[in-house]
Amino acid sequence: EVRLVESGGGLVQPGGSLRLSCSASGFTLRDYAFHWVRQTPGKGLEYVSAISANGGSTYYADSVKDRVTIFRDNSRNTLYLLMNSLRPEDTAVYYCVKGVPTISGPFDYWGQGTLVTVSS
Amino acid sequence: EIVLTQSPATLSVSPGERATLSCRASQSVTTNLAWYQQKPGQAPRLLIYRASTRATGVPGRFSGSGSGTEFTLTISSLQSEDFAVYYCHQYNNWPPRGFTFGPGTKVDIK
Repeated sequence: EVRLVESGGGLVQPGGSLRLSCSASGFTLRDYAFHWVRQTPGKGLEYVSAISANGGSTYYADSVKDRVTIFRDNSRNTLYLLMNSLRPEDTAVYYCVKGVPTISGPFDYWGQGTLVTVSS
Repeated sequence: EIVLTQSPATLSVSPGERATLSCRASQSVTTNLAWYQQKPGQAPRLLIYRASTRATGVPGRFSGSGSGTEFTLTISSLQSEDFAVYYCHQYNNWPPRGFTFGPGTKVDIK
């Protein structure tokens, strides 16, 4: 059974940092691209970041570029999202999403999400 | 950026009836379009990809059609577990920061 379990969310002050983790099981992590997608009541679903299966290529939405780093440890079956200089508008539920072997493709499994709240 | 517009925003349907949801793209996405179902407090679940291919385990009452800029998700006979929000998603616009989602259609009980 495919499982994606996010952790690391929480309350952080503006300008602060968080590291989100996504632990994967039930499949071989290194065979697939991965993505982070966030959701807010006001803006709906918003694409955040992607990483290729081998980790050699990464992509970021303009709204988070230069503040966020996606990386993966295939040996630990874990995906990460390091978030710096957080802003109130980054407040959202962040989902770890499994893609297909290539980055361009549908998102076939989603984690349960982790809530990030940026507020003073 | 490719903008996806979904209609209607809310669809009220009685159990057993057919539901037809629309997704329109601001420019062609060929068939690189997926549909997801989201229930309250849950993550989205993939239903349809490549515009018309059902994902693993998705009941046959769900079907997708369309290409280019016009897409449809049809639920042939609504069951109680189908009342949810449905999102379309295009993954055609490279690089990935161009991947976008529609605002969703809420299907509720009439």
